[in-house]
Amino acid sequence: EIVMTQSPATLSVSPGERATLSCRASQSVSSNLAWFQQKRGQAPRLLIYSASSRATGIPARFSGSGSGTEFSLTISSLQSEDFAVYYCQQYSNWPLTFGGGTKVVIK
Amino acid sequence: QVQLQESGPGLVKPSETLSLTCTVSGGSINSHYWSWIRQPPGKGLEWIGYLYYSGFTNYNPALRSRTTISAGTSMNRFSLKLSSVTAADTAVYYCARHKNNLDAFDIWGQGTMVTVSS
Repeated sequence: EIVMTQSPATLSVSPGERATLSCRASQSVSSNLAWFQQKRGQAPRLLIYSASSRATGIPARFSGSGSGTEFSLTISSLQSEDFAVYYCQQYSNWPLTFGGGTKVVIK
Repeated sequence: QVQLQESGPGLVKPSETLSLTCTVSGGSINSHYWSWIRQPPGKGLEWIGYLYYSGFTNYNPALRSRTTISAGTSMNRFSLKLSSVTAADTAVYYCARHKNNLDAFDIWGQGTMVTVSS
């Protein structure tokens, strides 16, 4: 099983600032990586797939990069609605696995 | 616009079988792959398994011996059965669609909370 490790567990950011979230895979997943945003009481929402492609309707302030084992999600200028938990997920190998999440909180 | 909705009992007794249905509106399961994912309270996400409309399935090895995912008699439903449940199976259960083939989950249901308790 591929283990996905996200850091930091909690990220404190002021509105308007840039946030960078990290995700590391225990072995290469090529570009088979997705990022999701989850707000309290809601289902996860797909933000990024194939490591760097934005899903339909996702604002341009969200961007993804990386390949192999190291990935990042950048939110260029945090808006109030962006404070949430973010998960990475690999779909390179079975079973599909998720990272433990990064919670983005208001500084 | 495709939407997913989970349904089923919110309370299941230990050792019994958890049964949930995912209803697809605005489309059918005759395309794409479809998965079940769960999230224990306050914890992260765990993939349970997927179904292709042809009936092909694949399960998380950690749950394989207790899991069955199958298509419904109507082509807009699929179901999850998880047997011999314990308190560790208490979670919000989501159904989700894979975007293309077996890649990212692009559409999710709202989730349904299932509590295992006597």
